[in-house]
Amino acid sequence: QVQLVESGGGVVQPGDSLRLSCAASGFSFSSYGMHWVRQAPGKGLEWVTFIRYDGTNKYYADSVKGRFTISRDNSKNTLYLQMNSLRAEDTAVYYCAKDPKWELTGYYFDFWGQGALVTVSS
Amino acid sequence: IQMTQSPSSLSASVGDRVTITCRASQTISKYLNWYQQKPGKAPKLLIYAASSSQSGVPSRFSGSGSGTDFTLTISSLQREDFATYYCQQSYSTPLTFGGGTKVEIK
Repeated sequence: QVQLVESGGGVVQPGDSLRLSCAASGFSFSSYGMHWVRQAPGKGLEWVTFIRYDGTNKYYADSVKGRFTISRDNSKNTLYLQMNSLRAEDTAVYYCAKDPKWELTGYYFDFWGQGALVTVSS
Repeated sequence: IQMTQSPSSLSASVGDRVTITCRASQTISKYLNWYQQKPGKAPKLLIYAASSSQSGVPSRFSGSGSGTDFTLTISSLQREDFATYYCQQSYSTPLTFGGGTKVEIK
């Protein structure tokens, strides 16, 4: 069965950096695009970024462009989110989510991890 | 593309028929998906491509619409359906969600 397990969340100060990881299992990770979606406390869902199955294309929300970088290691079945210059408004639960289309892109999310909480506070 | 859901919350009883609406700020054909989220849990995909049911989703959930106006219908609300529902457009990046509809027990 598909499993996505995020790690790396925590409490950081404004301006700090943090890297999230998402360990994938139960499917052919190297054949599917992957996303990060976040949810601020008590708020709705916000798409953050996407990476194509082979890592060649990446897209970002304007709110994180230039500060966050998505990457993947298909040999380790792991997705990453490098977050730099963190701000208070980046405080959220960060979910990794699988795109449903094999070697294509559906731009929606058929499986989600349990989430990793990132708190940015001085 | 802005996604607007209505209502933002509703109260309903077990057995009720519930309808949630999602409107896109521009035409998105049928690139519209619905998710259910329970407190403290990750969202779960219910409907994709406006009207296709994800595997394992009960048949009481259905979706319809195209262009700019879409609907999620729960034909007979069950206790386990009390949750928040989100629509999401997959027409173009940045991908965007509606603000959510919280379905509460009357």
